Amino acid sequence: GAVVSQHPSRVICKSGTSVKIECRSLDFQATTMFWYRQFPKQSLMLMATSNEGSKATYEQGVEKDKFLINHASLTLSTLTVTSAHPEDSSFYICSAPRGRPNYGYTFGSGTRLTVV
Amino acid sequence: AQSVTQPDIHITVSEGASLELRCNYSYGATPYLFWYVQSPGQGLQLLLKYFSGDTLVQGIKGFEAEFKRSQSSFNLRKPSVHWSDAAEYFCAVGPYNTDKLIFGTGTRLQVFP
Repeated sequence: GAVVSQHPSRVICKSGTSVKIECRSLDFQATTMFWYRQFPKQSLMLMATSNEGSKATYEQGVEKDKFLINHASLTLSTLTVTSAHPEDSSFYICSAPRGRPNYGYTFGSGTRLTVV
Repeated sequence: AQSVTQPDIHITVSEGASLELRCNYSYGATPYLFWYVQSPGQGLQLLLKYFSGDTLVQGIKGFEAEFKRSQSSFNLRKPSVHWSDAAEYFCAVGPYNTDKLIFGTGTRLQVFP
């Protein structure tokens, strides 16, 4: 149980285009979704926190207009990288907290974005 | 400030040898502690977690970790490493209310035959 399905796993896009990444909680309701970015051989950097039905909370230094987050339902959160540039190339991972009584966090399998 | 430190960026061990990956944290309240493993190009898999109770926690794949409050540490151990254990390991700390996790910088484990 507690699966977060993340798609696509890999995407290559041209500079200037937009890319949408989806994270779905398959067997539980994810009222919150954390979005992370990971550069090669580095740790995970929290970009933003999305909450179902409300605006996302972005971490300092993350451009809200570039990384659009939507959490329209209890099972789906999306991250759209708008007007992508090569420097946006990275590994993006979503994570949903489980809450009581199990606690813990379930991670998606990640999306490798390459902007050419 | 809340933080997690993994002092070892890269560790190399021989297959069959014992392993200890270090993790120190700085947290103002009672922490929830986690160890995750990440294979290249993959998401994170939970190895084990500590919330309360017995300070020695058993996880999957033969891993265990010990919470030492006096040392603010949560080191990961395995008695005998397998080649398939080669991966990136992340220690993380979180509050009781499942707010965002704080990750360490990771330790890359390399296993030689």
